[in-house]
Amino acid sequence: EVQLVESGGGLVQPGRSLRLSCAASGFTFHDYAMHWVRQAPGKGLEWVSGISWNSGSIGYADSVKGRFTTSRENAKNSLYLQMNSLRVEDTALYYCGRGRAVTIFGSNFDIWGQGTMVTVSS
Amino acid sequence: QSGLTQPPSVSAAPGQKVTISCSGSSSNIGNNYVSWYQQLPRTAPKLLIYDNNKRPSGIPDRFSGSKSGTSATLGITGLQTGDEADYYCGAWDNSLSAVVFGGGTKLTVL
Repeated sequence: EVQLVESGGGLVQPGRSLRLSCAASGFTFHDYAMHWVRQAPGKGLEWVSGISWNSGSIGYADSVKGRFTTSRENAKNSLYLQMNSLRVEDTALYYCGRGRAVTIFGSNFDIWGQGTMVTVSS
Repeated sequence: QSGLTQPPSVSAAPGQKVTISCSGSSSNIGNNYVSWYQQLPRTAPKLLIYDNNKRPSGIPDRFSGSKSGTSATLGITGLQTGDEADYYCGAWDNSLSAVVFGGGTKLTVL
């Protein structure tokens, strides 16, 4: 079964850090770009970051640029999101999604995880 | 980051047809493919349409997508109560070097 499972969310104080993970199974992980998309409570979807199949191309939304870092370990079928200097407005459900191509240049995410909740509050 | 523009809500009766619009610019919809997602309550988004008008395996042909210039449209025919959900459009934006989404449209099947 093709599956993505996120983990690592939780409650964190403003200014602190958190690392999210996304474990992939059921498909050849290194054949696809991967993305992070978040959804604040009661709000719409916001793309956070994308990484190409070989990590050669990584993109970020302006709202997280310089604070968040996306990486992947193809040997472990895993995607990561290191989140530093967290802000209250980063509070959201974070999804990882599989892109339909090897590059990040597209919005076709055909497999999604169930999401992991990040709450930034003092 | 500027996103795409969708109507906040649409409604129609069971069995009827509804369309949801998505407006952008030349930096996104005008020069890139559009995708559409369905998000049922308390679930992850699901890809409905990719590359403007293609349906992934398992998506019924009641769902269709089209694009003209800097706008795109999602069509749903034969509405069912199970279609009640939030629908989002998305596209790559060349100026932002990022994916942009619409604000979402809540579909109510009356």
